Amino acid sequence: KAGVTQTPRYLIKTRGQQVTLSCSPISGHRSVSWYQQTPGQGLQFLFEYFSETQRNKGNFPGRFSGRQFSNSRSEMNVSTLELGDSALYLCASSFAGRTNTGELFFGEGSRLTVL
Amino acid sequence: AQSVTQLDSHVSVSEGTPVLLRCNYSSSYSPSLFWYVQHPNKGLQLLLKYTSAATLVKGINGFEAEFKKSETSFHLTKPSAHMSDAAEYFCVVRGPYTGGFKTIFGAGTRLFVKA
Repeated sequence: KAGVTQTPRYLIKTRGQQVTLSCSPISGHRSVSWYQQTPGQGLQFLFEYFSETQRNKGNFPGRFSGRQFSNSRSEMNVSTLELGDSALYLCASSFAGRTNTGELFFGEGSRLTVL
Repeated sequence: AQSVTQLDSHVSVSEGTPVLLRCNYSSSYSPSLFWYVQHPNKGLQLLLKYTSAATLVKGINGFEAEFKKSETSFHLTKPSAHMSDAAEYFCVVRGPYTGGFKTIFGAGTRLFVKA
């Protein structure tokens, strides 16, 4: 069974640009969540999607957005990039439905560098 | 409210000696608790999980953790460290939240293994 796939793995952008990151969950998983990892702030929750609906959101500005498609694939977008957005962005999928808290399966991440 | 505290930012052990990584949590209801490991430039890999079944949980690669409700702890142990165990370890609390699930990560403990 294929794992969680994130693309691209590495990318470099300049301030003011926007970026879109993609995540393909494990087959059968309907929940996808996104996290930002930086040396200073550690791992922080961005948002979670389940069946195309955002059901939870972390404390990030509106420049960070996401969506989920009918095939459970998810994208996140960051507009008007700032230097502080440089980070490893991790996606995780879960089989858990609304009443269960299952384990998260992580992709290898997309490393974004903003110059 | 939920929170998780990893009591040590760095732990250094010699190969063949026991490993203890400490985690305390706070939750207003029974959460699910997880330990994940992250090797450099990789995603997070699940080591083990506690979801209100047995309090002593066995995971992969010889790791285990004991859930102690009275102490609100979920420490990770391994009898004998191996060089390949050198990595960063995250204690994670996951529980129901308004409309979805909330995931809280500890700050991480970096494990060094000396030959």
